[in-house]
Amino acid sequence: EADIYQTPRYLVIGTGKKITLECSQTMGHDKMYWYQQDPGMELHLIHYSYGVNSTEKGDLSSESTVSRIRTEHFPLTLESARPSHTSQYLCASSDTRLAGGNEQFFGPGTRLTVL
Amino acid sequence: SQQGEEDPQALSIQEGENATMNCSYKTSINNLQWYRQNSGRGLVHLILIRSNEREKHSGRLRVTLDTSKKSSSLLITASRAADTASYFCATADNAGNNRKLIWGLGTSLAVNP
Repeated sequence: EADIYQTPRYLVIGTGKKITLECSQTMGHDKMYWYQQDPGMELHLIHYSYGVNSTEKGDLSSESTVSRIRTEHFPLTLESARPSHTSQYLCASSDTRLAGGNEQFFGPGTRLTVL
Repeated sequence: SQQGEEDPQALSIQEGENATMNCSYKTSINNLQWYRQNSGRGLVHLILIRSNEREKHSGRLRVTLDTSKKSSSLLITASRAADTASYFCATADNAGNNRKLIWGLGTSLAVNP
């Protein structure tokens, strides 16, 4: 089991609400990622971070924002949730120091439903 | 954009049979990785094969890589019901950028008891 945690696991919320999805890892990994995945579909990278105070947008445009103030913490925020944001959000981390350098460790995911 | 393409998209077999999944990619790679995802969960890394390797084993898993055809296969031998999951390949490019992986579309495997 990877030491990477996501909360909440499930979230049902109304349109227009601000939400923050939490992701924390205790492995000291420098790189962290957020993916969006619809059921039975491929992963889409929406944000990634190379280290503290470094964030980049991924391949899929997203209205969400992220921050990386601490190595272990990489929260994702939606200022105003909409039904189109309904999806599963997966957080992952990897460590440049490991052999290969880019094996990713995943959290259990947050399943978001916006009504 | 997704580079990897897995086939088949879905596979259903009986327990004890072997399962083979294929992955094709488009650009030069540094390494290729296979992951498993149980329904509604995060992904778990299975195996990594480097561009200078042709075959790798891990338990009941066997991965091959053909860089001339830009393809890889994952073989699961003597499958079990617990192997039921989606399997994804992911590639790291050869440009010295090990920061992102390019993911395939996944193969959904059902192993029937």
